[in-house]
Amino acid sequence: DSGVTQTPKHLITATGQRVTLRCSPRSGDLSVYWYQQSLDQGLQFLIQYYNGEERAKGNILERFSAQQFPDLHSELNLSSLELGDSALYFCASSVVKAGGPDEQFFGPGTRLTVL
Amino acid sequence: LAKTTQPISMDSYEGQEVNITCSHNNIATNDYITWYQQFPSQGPRFIIQGYKTKVTNEVASLFIPADRKSSTLSLPRVSLSDTAVYYCLVGDGNTGKLIFGQGTTLQVKP
Repeated sequence: DSGVTQTPKHLITATGQRVTLRCSPRSGDLSVYWYQQSLDQGLQFLIQYYNGEERAKGNILERFSAQQFPDLHSELNLSSLELGDSALYFCASSVVKAGGPDEQFFGPGTRLTVL
Repeated sequence: LAKTTQPISMDSYEGQEVNITCSHNNIATNDYITWYQQFPSQGPRFIIQGYKTKVTNEVASLFIPADRKSSTLSLPRVSLSDTAVYYCLVGDGNTGKLIFGQGTTLQVKP
């Protein structure tokens, strides 16, 4: 158990819908990362937040958005869903030491199926 | 932007040493190189991280040459439970983007 929790575990929805994925980081971790894992694209970095602020942006679509709340939990919002958005979505958290290494702890993931 | 390349798959036998290399051209000077292990239906799990030369922990070693354009994960004496997908991860120092390799599926045979 990494200490990172994600809900829901599974999500089935239809094209055009909107969903919200939730992540609670490990206690004490200020940074949260979101990743998408699909069979054809592998693990793709979407976005990173640090203490409530967006820190880095990866291959995140404009239909997707995220935020980190004052209690440090994070939500990933996916809208206008398409079949190709079906994937595993992972959240990870880390302490992030300035200028130093950064070990990320991954949650169990949310499996999104868009029908 | 840093790009990472790994072999797609590797086979080994129990008790052997396995070396998996990741190429990462254009890695920024302040990037660390991290390796993760992933089992089916689980999130990736941290194995080892390094910046240069050699790093060793209780499960693996990481070799990074002076030019840092590649890194090699070394797993000593693998067992069946090491069958998994192994990913290298580098960060782009300029954009902050994190880039995973495509993953190497290691199959350990008895």
